[in-house]
Amino acid sequence: KNEVEQSPQNLTAQEGEFITINCSYSVGISALHWLQQHPGGGIVSLFMLSSGKKKHGRLIATINIQEKHSSLHITASHPRDSAVYICAVNGETSGSRLTFGEGTQLTVNP
Amino acid sequence: NAGVTQTPKFRILKIGQSMTLQCTQDMNHNYMYWYRQDPGMGLKLIYYSVGAGITDKGEVPNGYNVSRSTTEDFPLRLELAAPSQTSVYFCASRTSGTSFGANVLTFGAGSRLTVL
Repeated sequence: KNEVEQSPQNLTAQEGEFITINCSYSVGISALHWLQQHPGGGIVSLFMLSSGKKKHGRLIATINIQEKHSSLHITASHPRDSAVYICAVNGETSGSRLTFGEGTQLTVNP
Repeated sequence: NAGVTQTPKFRILKIGQSMTLQCTQDMNHNYMYWYRQDPGMGLKLIYYSVGAGITDKGEVPNGYNVSRSTTEDFPLRLELAAPSQTSVYFCASRTSGTSFGANVLTFGAGSRLTVL
């Protein structure tokens, strides 16, 4: 079992829909990261959080430390949101190393 | 600021050849990482560094070497290339601490390597 599990693996939505991507992890963590990988391959960091909730534009990330679970929400989805979304965690005992989920492929159709 | 710069973007190697992937960052980040991404798989850590002169192995270090002689540069050396090293390689960096933006990863654009 991977330390970081994402669901779903693939997600197809219509433009305007509300989207949720889930991330569960099995170890104690100091921080959790959400990343976006564009179709061209580039990776950008969306959020880093260790508690609560963060919002940036149409993106919202939440984390529940007790349940070892995080969600990434996209409101009013748009075709340009189509990308792979990756969850990664800093384990409490792994120092500066991150463990990555395998990603969720999101396709938003017009 | 250029961020994290990786070169080359693409390279084809023959089995047994060697090469170096270059990574440079201009953000004065102390932490630097090399990852590989195989098709449909998550990122795997090859090597990382917490500062100049300090490097350590990640999950998949076999067949690779690194050095960190300066804060800015973190080259990845492939010795005796094998088809199993065909992958996309990403360099990333971050700073540490509690200031705004600390601990957020910045990635290079990636280097696609094919070993035939």
